Amino acid sequence: QSVLTQPPSASGTPGQSVTISCSGSSSNIGKNFLYWYQQLPGSAPKLLIARKNQRPSGVPDRFSGSTSGTSASLAISGLRSEDEADYYCAAWDDSLSGWVFGGGTKLTVL
Amino acid sequence: QVQLVQSGAEVKKPGSSVKVSCKASGGTFSNYAISWVRQAPGHGLEWMGGIIPLFGRANYAQRFQGRVTISADESTSTCHMEVSSLTSEDTAVYFCSCGFVGEALDHWGQGSLVTVSS
Repeated sequence: QSVLTQPPSASGTPGQSVTISCSGSSSNIGKNFLYWYQQLPGSAPKLLIARKNQRPSGVPDRFSGSTSGTSASLAISGLRSEDEADYYCAAWDDSLSGWVFGGGTKLTVL
Repeated sequence: QVQLVQSGAEVKKPGSSVKVSCKASGGTFSNYAISWVRQAPGHGLEWMGGIIPLFGRANYAQRFQGRVTISADESTSTCHMEVSSLTSEDTAVYFCSCGFVGEALDHWGQGSLVTVSS
């Protein structure tokens, strides 16, 4: 059971938009920055959305993050086949004194 | 740009221990907080613990307390993670990751597969 809650799957067709949600609590998302990672099959996770919903260099502006209270979401517009991956949200948890992750959302581009 | 290179795959017997290393280059090692994250086959990411080499003290996720030891050697810019009393449930890919203190886990190693099998 993950501390952060994500839907297990999401899907869309090329060109569509999709949103992935992440729900937490006052000790993690409610207090600290929420980050998003993309993990392609067989690869290490890659930081997709950094602090204050900023995109690291090289991440297309098709990816955007938002946070409200103890929830966050990742929006992907103009879906492309190469976006098919697992997406994880993560935040520091003050109560646990450690990083917590969502269970991951598998995005399928139909 | 920081690069993290991890040690290779390991096959271990139940009850034994494994030590995975992570060598950093391209940045100032002591400026970073280093974490270890594992991923069991078909499962998500799980934070195990971390260390800030500048301070030398590690902290661990509750479920790994007492069974995992994380250390850092500033002279070689290398972080080590040892897991003892291995069971088949420890079969996973183990990633090291680092970022500035208080910031995201920005850089990741390639992962080290540990297989526990009799």
